Amino acid sequence: DAGITQSPRHKVTETGTPVTLRCHQTENHRYMYWYRQDPGHGLRLIHYSYGVKDTDKGEVSDGYSVSRSKTEDFLLTLESATSSQTSVYFCAISDEAGHEQYFGPGTRLTVT
Amino acid sequence: GQSLEQPSEVTAVEGAIVQINCTYQTSGFYGLSWYQQHDGGAPTFLSYNALDGLEETGRFSSFLSRSDSYGYLLLQELQMKDSASYFCAVRSSSGNTPLVFGKGTRLSVIA
Repeated sequence: DAGITQSPRHKVTETGTPVTLRCHQTENHRYMYWYRQDPGHGLRLIHYSYGVKDTDKGEVSDGYSVSRSKTEDFLLTLESATSSQTSVYFCAISDEAGHEQYFGPGTRLTVT
Repeated sequence: GQSLEQPSEVTAVEGAIVQINCTYQTSGFYGLSWYQQHDGGAPTFLSYNALDGLEETGRFSSFLSRSDSYGYLLLQELQMKDSASYFCAVRSSSGNTPLVFGKGTRLSVIA
């Protein structure tokens, strides 16, 4: 299995508070991704990174920001959490853009 | 834009064969991937087809027809542990998303 971890694994927070999720990899893969998964919607890309300090938006990026200051870490920040951001968040990595991605265990975020 | 269609649910009997279809609409198509996800778990990569035809990996096979914008995942000798959700995903050059996932097909294997 790819060495990819996410923290925290579970979080409950209140509306309006900032939240940061961390993804850490030990595979030295160039690409890292943040997805959210909601019932009936499958996996939707929030942001992705193609190198240190190189990031781009996905299809559901509003309300989220990311940072990648080291190859191994990719942070996802919700500046002011809303109830619509209650979801399961998955980080993924790949050594090139596209089809074969390795996923972390996920973070279940609840915004009350 | 890009879109994928796959059945939401499929039920099959242990030991049987099941086919999960996926149709897609996209420009700049590179290939079609399949992922498996058990309840409470993370998606795991199963297969990738860039060219027309059948790719076989053990009990699982994946097929692609680029001219029909269609592919399928074939699971043979079904086992109870195959009960999971299966996602097709398209890699294309259009838009800003490296991989776009379908909404998933929930496979239930029954005795």
